[in-house]
Amino acid sequence: EVKLVESGGGLVQPGRSLKLSCAASGFSFNDYWMGWVRQAPGKGLEWIGEINQDSSTINYTPSLKDKFTISRDNAQNTLYLQMSKLGSEDTAIYYCARGWELFDYWGQGVMVTVSS
Amino acid sequence: DTVLTQSPALAVSPGERVTISCRASESVSTLMHWYQQKPGQQPTLLIYLASNLESGVPARFSGSGSGTDFTLTIDPVEADDTATYYCQQSWNDPWTFGGGTKLELK
Repeated sequence: EVKLVESGGGLVQPGRSLKLSCAASGFSFNDYWMGWVRQAPGKGLEWIGEINQDSSTINYTPSLKDKFTISRDNAQNTLYLQMSKLGSEDTAIYYCARGWELFDYWGQGVMVTVSS
Repeated sequence: DTVLTQSPALAVSPGERVTISCRASESVSTLMHWYQQKPGQQPTLLIYLASNLESGVPARFSGSGSGTDFTLTIDPVEADDTATYYCQQSWNDPWTFGGGTKLELK
């Protein structure tokens, strides 16, 4: 069974940084592109970016390219999202998802709240 | 960025046929995908590449379209289909999602 479990969320002050993790199991992690999508409270989905199997290609939505960094550790079957200079507009549920261009499995999401 | 426009909400009765539309601001060929998100849950993939049914998804769901106009059809609608439905394109970088269509059952 494919499982994606996000962690690392919580309350963070404006301007600070936070790193999310996504533990993958039930499939060969190093064979797949992986991505991050977020959803602000009561809003729609926003694609953040994606990373290929060997981390040689990482794509971001332009508005987040200078704030967020996606990485992965294939030995640990884990995907990461490093977020910096966080603002209230970054308050959202963050989902990791499997795939490139489209996402066939999603984690349950982790909430990030940016507030003083 | 490619903007995907969806109607905000629809209300239908169980057993009826419903079509949910998604219009792109520019052509996305057939690189359009559909997701279902039930309240409090993560999205799940329903349709990929405009018309291909994801494994395990009931045949009541179908997709069509190309270029700028796409449709997700549910026939017949069941009570369990209460959810928000999102389209997503992967033809133009960055990938974008529609604003979602909330489907309510009467």
